Amino acid sequence: QSALTQPASVSGSPGQSITVSCTGTSSDVGSYKLVSWYQQHPGNAPKLIIYEVSKRPSGVSNRFSGSKSGNAASLTISGLQAEDEADYYCCSYADTRVFGTGTKVTVL
Amino acid sequence: QVQLVESGGGLVKAGGSLRLSCAASGFTFSDYYMSWIRQAPGKGLEWVSYITASGDPIYYADSVKGRFTISRDNAKNSLYLQMNSLRVEDTAVYYCARDLEGGRTDVWGQGTTVTISS
Repeated sequence: QSALTQPASVSGSPGQSITVSCTGTSSDVGSYKLVSWYQQHPGNAPKLIIYEVSKRPSGVSNRFSGSKSGNAASLTISGLQAEDEADYYCCSYADTRVFGTGTKVTVL
Repeated sequence: QVQLVESGGGLVKAGGSLRLSCAASGFTFSDYYMSWIRQAPGKGLEWVSYITASGDPIYYADSVKGRFTISRDNAKNSLYLQMNSLRVEDTAVYYCARDLEGGRTDVWGQGTTVTISS
């Protein structure tokens, strides 16, 4: 149950696209299409933004998209906006669950 | 509306025990898997445990296995986490959360703070 690996920080200018990576192993990310992503603003509980690798819950902006290749998943935020500045966590689910180390996204 | 409200957090010495509770409302509690997820100060999210709708099976993170026990009372719409043999590294905000199929968590409580002193 080792945490999935994410970059500590990613930054971009308004309107740009950025990608946050999430690297696991063949036992977690690589095994199932059950990767989700959460956004957390300071002082708030996390919010689900992507599930099952690439699906968006109702109400989540289509500027958020997800993908997976092998043992790595990715979250892309297009048309970056000031409100996207937050921490982002990936999560892989099998019988147990493991979160990523978290990435702070900064809008320059 | 759908709501989860945690309680029971506090300051405890290492080796002590605490019982967290989570009151659910606004949905049919007995239909859902439920989880506890924690976040140490300034750190990332760590999954702790989840329990299926019926109460079996149950899964734990290795870091808490043998010390923590998750349970639920569907008649009371409540989720619990009994925490024994607490360690300084268990200090965190503990979130109660509702799970959907595929392991995704769609509803989170506001969290309850657990502080373990040495």
